[in-house]
Amino acid sequence: SYVLTQAPSVSVAPGQTARISCGGTDIETKSVHWYQQKPGQAPVLVLHDDSDRPSGIPDRFSGSNSGNTATLTINRVEAGDEADYYCQVWDSSSLHPVIFGGGTKLTVL
Amino acid sequence: EVQLVESGGGLVEPGGSLRLSCAASGFTLNTYEMNWVRQAPGKGLESIAYISATGNTKYYADSVKGRFTISRDTAKNSLFLQMNRLRVEDTALYYCTRGSRGPYNAQDCWGQGTLVTVSS
Repeated sequence: SYVLTQAPSVSVAPGQTARISCGGTDIETKSVHWYQQKPGQAPVLVLHDDSDRPSGIPDRFSGSNSGNTATLTINRVEAGDEADYYCQVWDSSSLHPVIFGGGTKLTVL
Repeated sequence: EVQLVESGGGLVEPGGSLRLSCAASGFTLNTYEMNWVRQAPGKGLESIAYISATGNTKYYADSVKGRFTISRDTAKNSLFLQMNRLRVEDTALYYCTRGSRGPYNAQDCWGQGTLVTVSS
């Protein structure tokens, strides 16, 4: 089964740039989706298909996908961006193709 | 407004059963892929069940295969998760989610979740 690996935590000062990575074998061949989950709330889709933003998501959120790593980049980080972030792919070779990464806790210092 | 509302969670003893429901509004459920995703306390997201838009394809995580069944009722515009032979490790918040129109199951709408606690 396909595995997505995320660092447990990332810290960044307000106004700086946060980069949250998601590792997987040849992940560049897959479409990666990213979710933001704030405490006590349901997750929210912030990027789909590597870098597309759903309506209402600020353009401070962007994404890239190359080689074995996909990256969610948050520019000009705000206190309100503090949350858990999860990557997800569809892996058609897995018996259950919906795969989530373990999540990264973004702390705004 | 597109909305998903889960219900049916609660406290159940190990070995027991529960049926979760997810009422959809603002869209026609049987034209979208749908999922159940759970989150154990303090843990990450785990996709446990998927049903295709046609209803012909269903997938399950190994952790629930043979015990859980995903289904839907077109007339009620609702999604269900029948959970049998529950285990302590099934304790989690269960989310109903909608797959977007794209081919790779980006989940663009989430309910608020329903809590399942399995304990004696």
